[in-house]
This record gives sequence, C-alpha cells and structure tokens, in this order.
Amino acid sequence: ILNVEQSPQSLHVQEGDSTNFTCSFPSSNFYALHWYRWETAKSPEALFVMTLNGDEKKKGRISATLNTKEGYSYLYIKGSQPEDSATYLCALNSNSGYALNFGKGTSLLVTP
Amino acid sequence: DGGITQSPKYLFRKEGQNVTLSCEQNLNHDAMYWYRQDPGQGLRLIYYSQIVNDFQKGDIAEGYSVSREKKESFPLTVTSAQKNPTAFYLCASSIEINQPQHFGDGTRLSIL
Repeated sequence: ILNVEQSPQSLHVQEGDSTNFTCSFPSSNFYALHWYRWETAKSPEALFVMTLNGDEKKKGRISATLNTKEGYSYLYIKGSQPEDSATYLCALNSNSGYALNFGKGTSLLVTP
Repeated sequence: DGGITQSPKYLFRKEGQNVTLSCEQNLNHDAMYWYRQDPGQGLRLIYYSQIVNDFQKGDIAEGYSVSREKKESFPLTVTSAQKNPTAFYLCASSIEINQPQHFGDGTRLSIL
C-alpha cells in the first residue's frame, strides 16, 4: 500500500475565497496522479489525471499542478462557490500495479 | 446514458451469511474495481479486473470474492469469513490504466 497524504483534512471558506489543498505521495515508481470530487449523496467524479512532472491542468475555476520529483500535487479553487462543497480525493497510480491508492480526502465547505 | 449501476443501495447481512453486491457498467470499459470505505479512511481496493475472466486481489481481499464472466459485470461477494463487513462499497471502471475511473453510487452494507 502506497502512502498518499492529503492536507488539510477539512476546510471551511467563505464564498468568493480562493483555496488550495495538498496531496503528497512517494515519488518513486510514479505513473499517474488522479484528482476526484465527491459530493454528498453522489458518486466520485473525476477532475484530472496528471502524468508529467510540471503538468498543470484546469477545469473552470479548478486547477491542479504536479511535482513528481518531490512527490506532491496542489489543487486550487479560485473564487469558491457553495456548489464546490465536497470531498476532494487524490489517488496515485504507481508503475508497479494497476490499482489506485487513495488519500483520505480534503473536505471543503463553502458557505455563502 | 452510459454509467455504472450498483445494487442494492442498502444491504443487511446476518451472521454467517454470504451476500453479493452487484455492479454493472455499459461504458464498454475493460477494467473494473471494488473499493471499501470506512469512516475516517480513504478508499481501499478489494479486487480489480483488467479483462474478462481475470481478476487480481487488492489490498484487503480477505473475506471477499469476485467473478468477471462478462465485460459489463463485476459482482462482489462478501463471505462469512469477512468478520467486519459493515462499510460503504464502491464499484468503479476505467477504459485503461491512466484514465479516470467512473464510479457507481455505492452500496452500504450493515450487519443485522
């Protein structure tokens, strides 16, 4: 089992605030890093899959960066909205297996 | 619409009983996965399958069994050997290793 750490565990921001979370992972045997958003009472939804060091991906107000050499990825949300409230999961694919190793997630609450 | 269907949504197991959780996908994905979520923990992989008639143990396979007789279906049996089966179970599929996983809505299993 690969140790994937996410911080903070939870976050509460006001509408309009920008925020970011961290995902840390072992940098050896890296293959891909996934980010998912999991809203309450729904199924997890894929946000990004990142494979290259220095990768930066964007989807609307959400973006992510990847540093495979030091083993971390950041997820940014610009101008948070209440509909961004969810748990954000990161997961690591290593080149030693096909499975994803998930972190425990960051729970985001955005209040009006 | 294409997607993953898990059933039932809630399931109760008696002591010593085997129960089977259903997972069906119409996305034409080759790979399918079963995860378990416990409070305060990340998703943990139980079993995965890359192709029909082939499957591999994940990190916590003890007390579980699977089959993959059809591409669309990947049922999970929770056997009486699984001493702590109460959890939320998620099924997922993906087209290949570095592509996003698509998740079902989950099955919550409890012990009577």
